Amino acid sequence: EAQVTQNPRYLITVTGKKLTVTCSQNMNHEYMSWYRQDPGLGLRQIYYSMNVEVTDKGDVPEGYKVSRKEKRNFPLILESPSPNQTSLYFCASSLAGGETQYFGPGTRLLVL
Amino acid sequence: GIQVEQSPPDLILQEGANSTLRCNFSDSVNNLQWFHQNPWGQLINLFYIPSGTKQNGRLSATTVATERYSLLYISSSQTTDSGVYFCAVRVKGNTGKLIFGQGTTLQVKP
Repeated sequence: EAQVTQNPRYLITVTGKKLTVTCSQNMNHEYMSWYRQDPGLGLRQIYYSMNVEVTDKGDVPEGYKVSRKEKRNFPLILESPSPNQTSLYFCASSLAGGETQYFGPGTRLLVL
Repeated sequence: GIQVEQSPPDLILQEGANSTLRCNFSDSVNNLQWFHQNPWGQLINLFYIPSGTKQNGRLSATTVATERYSLLYISSSQTTDSGVYFCAVRVKGNTGKLIFGQGTTLQVKP
C-alpha cells in the first residue's frame, strides 16, 4: 500500500532532550516536506526537500533540523526541544515539487 | 509573502445541503490544492487544481488563477464531510514552498 509513515505517533518529552521524528514514504517520491499544525495558525511549512541531499527552509525552520540521505526517508530533528514546539507535525511527499501531496498520519508532540 | 485567505471560517450545515468554500490568494501561484482534514486528524488531498474545474463525486472545485481565487463545492453534504477544509498554494517561482490557508471548519448535522 502506497503510504507515508511517521513515528512515533505520540510523544511526550521534556525541554532540551533531543528527539527525532521519522518519516518514510514508499512511493519513490522526490519531494518531501514537514509541517506543523497549531490551533488558529493552520499548517505551516518547516522544511522541504526537492530531492536527496537537497533541503530548504520553509516558513518556520527555527529549532528544527532535517536530513535527506536517501529518497524514502526525511527525519525531523529537534536538537533542544522547547515548549513552543508542542504541536501536531505532519510529513508529506509528492512525486515532484509541484505535484499533489500525500500526508502521513501526524505526530502529536508535547514538550514539558 | 503571499497571503491565503479562506472563507467562511466556520460552517454548519444540515445533511443534504449544498455549500461553497472560498480560497483567495494575494499573488500569482503555480498551483492550488484542496485538502480535507477529518475529525481524526487525517489529511486527504481532494483536488490538485491550478486552473479550471474538476469534479469528484459530490465535490467539485474551480480555480480562476487570473482573479486569484478558488472555490470548493460540496453538494448533498453528508456527516462524513465534517472536518476542516484547507486550500494550499505553491508560490510562483518556488515549487518547494506550500502556503496553507487557515481552513474552513465544516460541521454537517444529521
